[in-house]
Amino acid sequence: SAVISQKPSRDICQRGTSLTIQCQVDSQVTMMFWYRQQPGQSLTLIATANQGSEATYESGFVIDKFPISRPNLTFSTLTVSNMSPEDSSIYLCSAGTSGHNEQFFGPGTRLTVL
Amino acid sequence: AQKITQTQPGMFVQEKEAVTLDCTYDTSDQSYGLFWYKQPSSGEMIFLIYQGSYDEQNATEGRYSLNFQKARKSANLVISASQLGDSAMYFCAMREVLRYNQGGKLIFGQGTELSVKP
Repeated sequence: SAVISQKPSRDICQRGTSLTIQCQVDSQVTMMFWYRQQPGQSLTLIATANQGSEATYESGFVIDKFPISRPNLTFSTLTVSNMSPEDSSIYLCSAGTSGHNEQFFGPGTRLTVL
Repeated sequence: AQKITQTQPGMFVQEKEAVTLDCTYDTSDQSYGLFWYKQPSSGEMIFLIYQGSYDEQNATEGRYSLNFQKARKSANLVISASQLGDSAMYFCAMREVLRYNQGGKLIFGQGTELSVKP
């Protein structure tokens, strides 16, 4: 099974600033994803992080707001840009490998925007 | 479009008893995967169990089992011998079919909050 770490684990940010969240997997994985979980809600996929190419965004999420990088098979970053209080959420990185029946999550980044 | 429905916002169970958390799904794909995750108050997502659409046997992992009824499109989670530490939010999720190493995103239900009473 893959072990996923995220940094930071939590942060409190001011409106209008940006925060970059890092996701590191301890083994090479095929798939990496970024999810958002707003307070009291379920998880919603932001985008699929593609290695060496632009991320694939879900409806309602755009690259200017949530730029994503994935320079290799074990690392990805998500930036939350020009933050507003509505961006206060838990952001979770997820990873899996095709051919395996498990998909794991990082511990999440708990973001509060004031 | 794929959809996951969890109709129980909250459930209570007595310690040491079994509990079933409901999950129904909708998809036009023939090949898919169903997952259950546990999310304690700390926020981490803990993988519990997986069922493939072509698996003939119901999946089991320790005290967790998945009651898979394909014709009814249901994938209920059964927790046996509940423990106080089982109190958490539980999410059912479906993964789209994987093609050529692409895809694999999870679609989640709204979750069921389980409380285990001593």
